[in-house]
Amino acid sequence: NAGVTQTPKFRILKIGQSMTLQCTQDMNHNYMYWYRQDPGMGLKLIYYSVGAGITDKGEVPNGYNVSRSTTEDFPLRLELAAPSQTSVYFCASSPGPEAFFGQGTRLTVV
Amino acid sequence: AQSVTQLDSQVPVFEEAPVELRCNYSSSVSVYLFWYVQYPNQGLQLLLKYLSGSTLVKGINGFEAEFNKSQTSFHLRKPSVHISDTAEYFCAVTPGVSGGYNKLIFGAGTRLAVHP
Repeated sequence: NAGVTQTPKFRILKIGQSMTLQCTQDMNHNYMYWYRQDPGMGLKLIYYSVGAGITDKGEVPNGYNVSRSTTEDFPLRLELAAPSQTSVYFCASSPGPEAFFGQGTRLTVV
Repeated sequence: AQSVTQLDSQVPVFEEAPVELRCNYSSSVSVYLFWYVQYPNQGLQLLLKYLSGSTLVKGINGFEAEFNKSQTSFHLRKPSVHISDTAEYFCAVTPGVSGGYNKLIFGAGTRLAVHP
């Protein structure tokens, strides 16, 4: 079972560039999430979705955008990358309270 | 608003010793509680969860946790740790069904270092 798949695993961006972090799940979960993880800070929720066509902001949405056109996919868009967006990004999905996580994308903005 | 406090950022312990990782939460509604483990350069894996019922919850790898509603705590314990338990552990909370379980709020994490 693939579960939650994130691509790419690593990426280096220059300041001002844009990119899309891909996330797909094959478990038919309604809920999907994007988190960022910074050392000593735990995971902070960026955006979440409760179903196709429905998204909402989390704790730290500034500088990011999402879309949810299908149940399976939940891409995260970074516009005008900044050094403060250097982080590890995790996508997750859940059928209810329990979340299943991808392996993460390590992003460095230089 | 909900929040989670993990009281220790790092816990060093010798192999085969017992360990407790502490977690307190604040919430005005009923909650679901979780412990996740993250091994180096990997994603998060569910260790155990409390949804309802018995307050003592058993998880994978010999870990258990006890939900204490009066103290708003959900401490994680293991009676005898192994080197392979070295990892970062995250406590998380989400509202119970009445509050809509659509956001997991995480603590800052506790790094468990098991020494031989």
